This record gives sequence, structure tokens and C-alpha cells, in this order.
Amino acid sequence: GAVVSQHPSWVICKSGTSVKIECRSLDFQATTMFWYRQFPKQSLMLMATSNEGSKATYEQGVEKDKFLINHASLTLSTLTVTSAHPEDSSFYICSANDRDDYGYTFGSGTRLTVV
Amino acid sequence: AQSVTQLGSHVSVSEGALVLLRCNYSSSVPPYLFWYVQYPNQGLQLLLKYTSAATLVKGINGFEAEFKKSETSFHLTKPSAHMSDAAEYFCAVSLGRGSYIPTFGRGTSLIVHP
Repeated sequence: GAVVSQHPSWVICKSGTSVKIECRSLDFQATTMFWYRQFPKQSLMLMATSNEGSKATYEQGVEKDKFLINHASLTLSTLTVTSAHPEDSSFYICSANDRDDYGYTFGSGTRLTVV
Repeated sequence: AQSVTQLGSHVSVSEGALVLLRCNYSSSVPPYLFWYVQYPNQGLQLLLKYTSAATLVKGINGFEAEFKKSETSFHLTKPSAHMSDAAEYFCAVSLGRGSYIPTFGRGTSLIVHP
């Protein structure tokens, strides 16, 4: 089945530094990838939708200059949290849709802790 | 436009008992419906999906769900709960495939007692 590999699984960084999270579709082409943020005991909050080769579409309230999304190929999308602060600490999850399928395949998530 | 309502933020069952997690949806077009499971500190895993074929959908781990258009429901069931079923469950609806953005419910935490 479709697999999305997300790395790193967890990361601890100092306040003010930047962190990059990668998502790769391993056995299918992901023309669209979704990036979510999840707070404890809550549902997923969509941050942005990225389409290969074009700029990401950000949801209202999400700072595009802080959360940089790049979707340069059909198998790779990255989320960079720039100048991270403790309030950016969260669980980030990516998801991709196989255009030949109806399902959404999720990465394993990244636990970001900013200290 | 679409939306999903999951009734009950927590459901508690005994091991071996029937599991029933409720999901109601609204959609302006025939929907695609999904159930996902999430274990702590992990991503979401697809349990099953409805894509306008058979209304009774069988998924992994013994779960199944029935699409009922008249009730706008897509409830998830499992005849006999296992301790390993304890997790967070999310219902989601989409208007199509590809770039359509799915809408997720708030999630239901399934607690299984020995």
C-alpha cells in the first residue's frame, strides 16, 4: 500500500533556530500533500496544502513566512519552522493523496519541542 | 462544503464487548468517508473508506462501517473489542480524491477495560 515516510520523528531545538521536517511518498506520486498540526487531545488542524511545483496554500491564521513549505517533486514535501519559539512546540503530521486512490496516507508525525 | 460530527469524545467498553463509534456527516455532494486510528505519538492509519461502492465497508483489524445516506451516518463497529484497540479514532469526509481537502471530526478516544 501507499506509504509516506516522515522524518524526523522527534526533534528538540533551541528557541530561534529553524527546523526542517521531510515527508516522502515512497511508492506513489503525491501531487498534493497536506500539513497538519495537532495539539494534545485534539483533532488535526490543517496548516497548508502543497501542490507539486507551485506555492503552498495556507489556511487562515497560519504564517507562511514562519512555516515554509516546499513541494519540489512528486515524492517530497518539506515543512520548515523558521525561528522556532516554544509556542511552536507541537505534533506535525503530513498527509498525501495518491491520485489513483481515494485515501489519504499519513506520515508518522514529528514531535517538535522548542526549548 | 462538508462537515463531520463524532458523537462522544470518549467511549469506554469492556474487552470482548461491541465497539460502536458514531460519525455523522454533511456534504453538498456524494461524500467519500474515512475512518482513521491514531495511537499515541503516531500518525493516522486508515481503517477503512467508503467511495460510493458497497455501503458496508470492511476494514483492517476487524472493523467495519456502514454508509447510511438516509441517516447521513458512517458509524464504525467491531464485534469484540481488544485491549490493543484502545486509541483515538477519527472520522473524515471528502468531496473527492486528489487535492480535495478532507474534513476531520474531533476524534473519539476508545478506552478498553480488561
